[in-house]
Amino acid sequence: KAGVTQTPRYLIKTRGQQVTLSCSPISGHRSVSWYQQTPGQGLQFLFEYFSETQRNKGNFPGRFSGRQFSNSRSEMNVSTLELGDSALYLCASSRTGVDTGELFFGEGSRLTVL
Amino acid sequence: DAKTTQPPSMDCAEGRAANLPCNHSTISGNEYVYWYRQIHSQGPQYIIHGLKNNETNEMASLIITEDRKSSTLILPHATLRDTAVYYCIVRMNAGGTSYGKLTFGQGTILTVHP
Repeated sequence: KAGVTQTPRYLIKTRGQQVTLSCSPISGHRSVSWYQQTPGQGLQFLFEYFSETQRNKGNFPGRFSGRQFSNSRSEMNVSTLELGDSALYLCASSRTGVDTGELFFGEGSRLTVL
Repeated sequence: DAKTTQPPSMDCAEGRAANLPCNHSTISGNEYVYWYRQIHSQGPQYIIHGLKNNETNEMASLIITEDRKSSTLILPHATLRDTAVYYCIVRMNAGGTSYGKLTFGQGTILTVHP
C-alpha cells in the first residue's frame, strides 16, 4: 500500500512569501504530524492533527499553521517566510487516534528560502 | 519525556552485529523506549519499541536493562543499507498527551563499511 506522500518535494521561495505544503497519509491513517528538520536544530515537532482537530502543538511561532481535511489529508502553511525557515518538512501518519508513538514518515518537502 | 544520551557515531563491519547503546537514566515507569532511523535524504523509519521486556522484530532486537536506565538496539547482520542516523527516544505511550510528538535528539550516525 502507498506510503505517506508529500508534495512538493522541493521548492524555492523568497523572504516574505508564504508556502503551503501538502501531505497525504497512508490510507486508513487518521493522525497526521508535521516536523521540521534543520542541520542546527535537528528534528522538531510542529503539530499533530486528528479528525480535523489539532491535538498537539510544538514550540513554533504563529506563522506556522496547519489543517486537516475530512479525508485525513493535511496541509501546513508558513507565512512571511524567513531565511531560517529553510528546512526539510516531514509529515508522518499513524494508524489510529491512540497515541502509540509509531509514526510513518514521508520523504519530506525541502524548502529553500532565499 | 525523558532525555536520552547516545554516542555521536559508530562503525560496524558489514555482516557483523551492530550494537547501538542508549542511556535514559531518568526514564519513568510508564515511558517506552523507541528506536527510529533516518537514512540520508529520507524520512525517519520506525524500528522497534519496548517497555521493559526485550523485543525482537524482523529489523532488530531491543535489549532493555532491568533497571530500564539504558538499552541497546541490535542489528544482527548489518548491511551497507543500514548506514543511517539512529535515534533513541523515550516517551509515554497511549494515555499521555504527546499525540504525534517524538522528541528526537542528535542520534548516532552508524556507518557500515565493507
